[in-house]
Amino acid sequence: DIQMTQSPSSLSASVGDRVTITCRANQSISSHSNWFQQKPGKAPKLLIYAASSLQSGVPSRFSGSGSGTDFTLTISSLQPEDFATYYCQHSYIAPYSFGQGTNLEIK
Amino acid sequence: EVQLLESGGGLVQPGGSLRLSCAASGFTLSSYAMSWVRQAPGKGLEWVSGISGSGGTTYYADSVKGRFTISRDNSKNTLYLQMNSLRADDTAVYYCAQDRFRGVQGVFDVWGQGTTVTVSS
Repeated sequence: DIQMTQSPSSLSASVGDRVTITCRANQSISSHSNWFQQKPGKAPKLLIYAASSLQSGVPSRFSGSGSGTDFTLTISSLQPEDFATYYCQHSYIAPYSFGQGTNLEIK
Repeated sequence: EVQLLESGGGLVQPGGSLRLSCAASGFTLSSYAMSWVRQAPGKGLEWVSGISGSGGTTYYADSVKGRFTISRDNSKNTLYLQMNSLRADDTAVYYCAQDRFRGVQGVFDVWGQGTTVTVSS
């Protein structure tokens, strides 16, 4: 099975900062990576699919990149509503595993 | 408006059974593959099972294989998860999620609000 390793597990940042979260797969998954945002008590929300495609309705400050085994999620200028937990996930082949999550906190 | 509404969660004893339902509205269920994803208290997300739009293809995580069964009734626009031989580590919020595609592709762009399953004596 494919494992997704996400880093860092937690991150403190300020409004306006540029933030990058990384995810590594233990084998090549081409561009089959996705990123989700989850706020406490809420369902996850799809931000990025196919490594770099922005989901409809998601602000353009969110971007994704990478292929093969290494992927990144970048938030260009943090807004107050962006403080949440972020998960990467692969969609290469079932089982579709998630990374362990990155908790983005206010500094 | 596209909406998914889970139900059927609750408290069950170890070894017991439970059936979750996910009612879809605002779209035709048969046009999309669907999955169940769970989240144990304070933990990350775990994909559990997926089913194609027609219901002809199903997939399971190793942790639930042989115990859980995913199914769908497209005429009722409803997805199901039959959970048998429940264990304490099945305790979680269970989300249903719509795939972007008719085949199971693992790209989940619509989620329900979740239903809580607690396995405890």
